[in-house]
Amino acid sequence: DGGITQSPKYLFRKEGQNVTLSCEQNLNHDAMYWYRQDPGQGLRLIYYSQIVNDFQKGDIAEGYSVSREKKESFPLTVTSAQKNPTAFYLCASSIIGRGYTFGSGTRLTVV
Amino acid sequence: AQKVTQAQTEISVVEKEDVTLDCVYETRDTTYYLFWYKQPPSGELVFLIRRNSFDEQNEISGRYSWNFQKSTSSFNFTITASQVVDSAVYFCALSPPQTGANNLFFGTGTRLTVIP
Repeated sequence: DGGITQSPKYLFRKEGQNVTLSCEQNLNHDAMYWYRQDPGQGLRLIYYSQIVNDFQKGDIAEGYSVSREKKESFPLTVTSAQKNPTAFYLCASSIIGRGYTFGSGTRLTVV
Repeated sequence: AQKVTQAQTEISVVEKEDVTLDCVYETRDTTYYLFWYKQPPSGELVFLIRRNSFDEQNEISGRYSWNFQKSTSSFNFTITASQVVDSAVYFCALSPPQTGANNLFFGTGTRLTVIP
């Protein structure tokens, strides 16, 4: 079955560490996205990519980095510059102009 | 600027009651898409419906129905005869036209609890 796989489901980070969240899709979608979800704030866009080797900042890109070396993969790195990284992170993909398919999310906690 | 407002933070209903989730949006675009997503406790967002701004017909899918009124910039979602499995957070979202940025702007969500 086609879909989006996010891993890990739970991730713990020590302060000052960089961590990378994985997102893989086998839907042959061109566009991929990373959203951050905080309680009571809905989802906010971090980064998005519409084609391989190209990506754009979203509304809250500071402290995050991404790469898009393959169509299927769009990993997100949460750097030590992100001061409040504890949140639920959702990856999505779409055919441009159509609805999104979301992964099951990664819950990141700073310890 | 795009904005989606879901004024209802939390709603509780007793099983078999009908419930309406409100969504009001703001956009300067004449063409746009509106969406509803369901987020169960597992966390994954489940697509429910996409509506083109030119299509104001109401839609019914089983126990779900959607009322799109462009005149009031609203896209409300009704669940008829609610069930415990409907308990989730529901998000309304707006997408601008395909101009290169195909981003979803989400409301803050409405948490629905259906009490057995």
